[in-house]
Amino acid sequence: DTAVSQTPKYLVTQMGNDKSIKCEQNLGHDTMYWYKQDSKKFLKIMFSYNNKELIINETVPNRFSPKSPDKAHLNLHINSLELGDSAVYFCASSASYQETQYFGPGTRLLVL
Amino acid sequence: AQSVTQLGSHVSVSEGALVLLRCNYSSSVPPYLFWYVQYPNQGLQLLLKYTSAATLVKGINGFEAEFKKSETSFHLTKPSAHMSDAAEYFCAVRGFQKLVFGTGTRLLVSP
Repeated sequence: DTAVSQTPKYLVTQMGNDKSIKCEQNLGHDTMYWYKQDSKKFLKIMFSYNNKELIINETVPNRFSPKSPDKAHLNLHINSLELGDSAVYFCASSASYQETQYFGPGTRLLVL
Repeated sequence: AQSVTQLGSHVSVSEGALVLLRCNYSSSVPPYLFWYVQYPNQGLQLLLKYTSAATLVKGINGFEAEFKKSETSFHLTKPSAHMSDAAEYFCAVRGFQKLVFGTGTRLLVSP
């Protein structure tokens, strides 16, 4: 039973398109995150949500809009995709911000 | 602000040899430190974590790490490398509502 799942696993799209990535966790956690891993494997936090409320927005362009319909889901919508958005996006969750984070398998986004 | 530095973007060992992956941290408060492993085309898996209890932390797959405050280090070791250990390893420190990751070290294991 997958703890943190993401869909889709791969996403290939054209510049200028709008796309969404979905994340679900079945761990009963209160806190969820989005991280971006660039082509050099560097991982950086994008957003952090606690009980459906945005806690961190780490200087991410406003083309990126997270949405948390409930505590188990945190989706990421990206408008007007750019070449530089190509990366692997990881969702993670934790019981609270103090607890261990568990990561999903990642969504590999390629913008052409 | 918290940060971690991983020394060496690539480490090569022979199967059966000692694995040593280096991580140094900077933190204004007592740190919580983590090692994650990422196998090719997969997500991140927690190897072990330090949360201010024992300074020698044992993790999965035979890995362990020792927290040394005097050296601000949290190096990852494994006595005997296995081919299946080939992966990317990330050290991380807990910040406010996030993990701050190092740049990663790719471990290459040769037969």
